[in-house]
Amino acid sequence: GQNIDQPTEMTATEGAIVQINCTYQTSGFNGLFWYQQHAGEAPTFLSYNVLDGLEEKGRFSSFLSRSKGYSYLLLKELQMKDSASYLCAVRDREDSSYKLIFGSGTRLLVRP
Amino acid sequence: KAGVTQTPRYLIKTRGQQVTLSCSPISGHRSVSWYQQTPGQGLQFLFEYFSETQRNKGNFPGRFSGRQFSNSRSEMNVSTLELGDSALYLCASSRATEYEQYFGPGTRLTVT
Repeated sequence: GQNIDQPTEMTATEGAIVQINCTYQTSGFNGLFWYQQHAGEAPTFLSYNVLDGLEEKGRFSSFLSRSKGYSYLLLKELQMKDSASYLCAVRDREDSSYKLIFGSGTRLLVRP
Repeated sequence: KAGVTQTPRYLIKTRGQQVTLSCSPISGHRSVSWYQQTPGQGLQFLFEYFSETQRNKGNFPGRFSGRQFSNSRSEMNVSTLELGDSALYLCASSRATEYEQYFGPGTRLTVT
């Protein structure tokens, strides 16, 4: 079956670093995405990993280990505006088609 | 470049009615996916269209249907509405299935 797990909530302090973990089980893994969603808004694309390793994009980095079914999103120099839900999504391939399966999201609260 | 647009933004319907939601993708994007987001279930995949063909379908009853037009605009229809259909319906577009998706602002549907 397909399963994606991430923590429900995390709290961190402004200026600090936070790591949001995501573990997954899918039969046809074909890439992992991270999205940010502020309350009442649509998700926005943050990062994409398809090969093992670290992808860095400014204050945000995402890591993937396909053998462990594990990814994390690293947020550095946290700002108050980073308070949002962070969604881990796995692209699953079935036959010749794909679908994106989302985790339930991690609600991050950044405190002053 | 204009983003993904969805209409209407808010909708109130009564049980048993039907509803049609519309999505206009980013110019040049040929893939449109639809998702249902609820507090309890998170983001759940409904279906994906590419070049007017349904490429993939999630685990939703047949009351949920969709289509895509030659200009890549897409509509989804829900017939015989139930209270549990109250949700945020998000549309996302991408250049093709294997690329990152960009979400529209969503349609908030309330069924009374």
